[in-house]
Formats: sequence, structure tokens, C-alpha cells
Amino acid sequence: DVKVTQSSRYLVKRTGEKVFLECVQDMDHENMFWYRQDPGLGLRLIYFSYDVKMKEKGDIPEGYSVSREKKERFSLILESASTNQTSMYLCASSLGLGTGTGNTIYFGEGSWLTVV
Amino acid sequence: SQKIEQNSEALNIQEGKTATLTCNYTNYSPAYLQWYRQDPGRGPVFLLLIRENEKEKRKERLKVTFDTTLKQSLFHITASQPADSATYLCALAQAGTALIFGKGTTLSVSS
Repeated sequence: DVKVTQSSRYLVKRTGEKVFLECVQDMDHENMFWYRQDPGLGLRLIYFSYDVKMKEKGDIPEGYSVSREKKERFSLILESASTNQTSMYLCASSLGLGTGTGNTIYFGEGSWLTVV
Repeated sequence: SQKIEQNSEALNIQEGKTATLTCNYTNYSPAYLQWYRQDPGRGPVFLLLIRENEKEKRKERLKVTFDTTLKQSLFHITASQPADSATYLCALAQAGTALIFGKGTTLSVSS
């Protein structure tokens, strides 16, 4: 089974702190994603990466950056955390992208971030 | 503008009945559509994929239909059980980008 592991399940950070959310997948997938999920807003794509060192902005990239130095690892960075970034963050991976085969997404368990 | 809508935020049914969830989309031409299940506090889990040239797909008690003319997918759970209570998300695949998700429908099955 594909496993996507998010390093932290629950975090509490202060406004202005730099926050790192780490994600590792074990299936040699090309593509990795960061979503945030908020009540009433659903899943919103922050960034995705289709290869090492490659990234694409999603729907809500403002206030976030990402890093993918190794194929299996994709990090989400909040440069200066703000209270409106309190949310559940979901990392995911897939073999394919777009309309190709293997586009099924495998999600991690989520990281609950509270910014105070 | 592009939009994916799942018919209702919440659906309550009795055990043993068939649950039907709807996913409508506008201004997309998806090659296929996927359905995911999400339990509270957990990440979504893939359930089924249906391609644009398929009318219907089944997996155990689950059935999905895909009507590209109506721009709609229906997701059915037959003989529903309390364990089926969860949020169900539909997602569309488009060229060159990540899946696009609907907001989900929360199903509650009461015994």
C-alpha cells in the first residue's frame, strides 16, 4: 500500500513564526501535493510538484512556499505564520498527473495547524 | 467560471436504504472523475474512478455513473450501513494539473 506520512499531526505556532510541514511518500510517485481543508471551503490546492525541484502554484499559494529536494519528500513552508493559516493541511502523492493514467491521489493523515 | 458542486452538504438516511450523492460540474471537460471517502480528522481515501466513455462503474455496494451530457456524476451506496457515514468527495481530472475537488457531501446513516 502507498503510504504518505506527514511528520506532525498537531502543531501550535505563534504568529510570525516560520513553520515547516514535512511529507514523505514511499511509492516513488512523481507528483506531490499540498492542500488545505477548511469547513465550508473544501480542499484547496496550495502547491504541487511534478518532479524534484519543480513546483507549480495551486489555487491559494499566497503566504506559502514549498521545497522538493528529493523525490520522496515535499515540504510546505509558512514563511511568517498568520492566524488565517490555521487549518488542516493535507499532503498527497500520485503516480500520474492530469488526464494520464495513475492520477489517483493518496493522502496523508493530515496536519492540524493552529496559529495563535 | 469553472465550478464543481456536490448537491448537498449533508445527507441523512436510514440503514438499509440507498444513498445517492450528486456531483455536478460546469465549464470542465474532464477525462474522468473520481470519488473519495473522508472520515473525520483523516485524509481522503480513493474509492472509484470512472472514465468519460464509461456510463457506470461498480464496486461491491458502490455504484458510480457519469453523464458527460448532463455534466453529472451520481454516487450510490446500496444497503447503507452506519459504517458508511463519512464525507464523500468527487474530483475531476484535467490535463496537466492536479485533481480538482468538490466540497463534499457528509452522509449520516442511522440505525
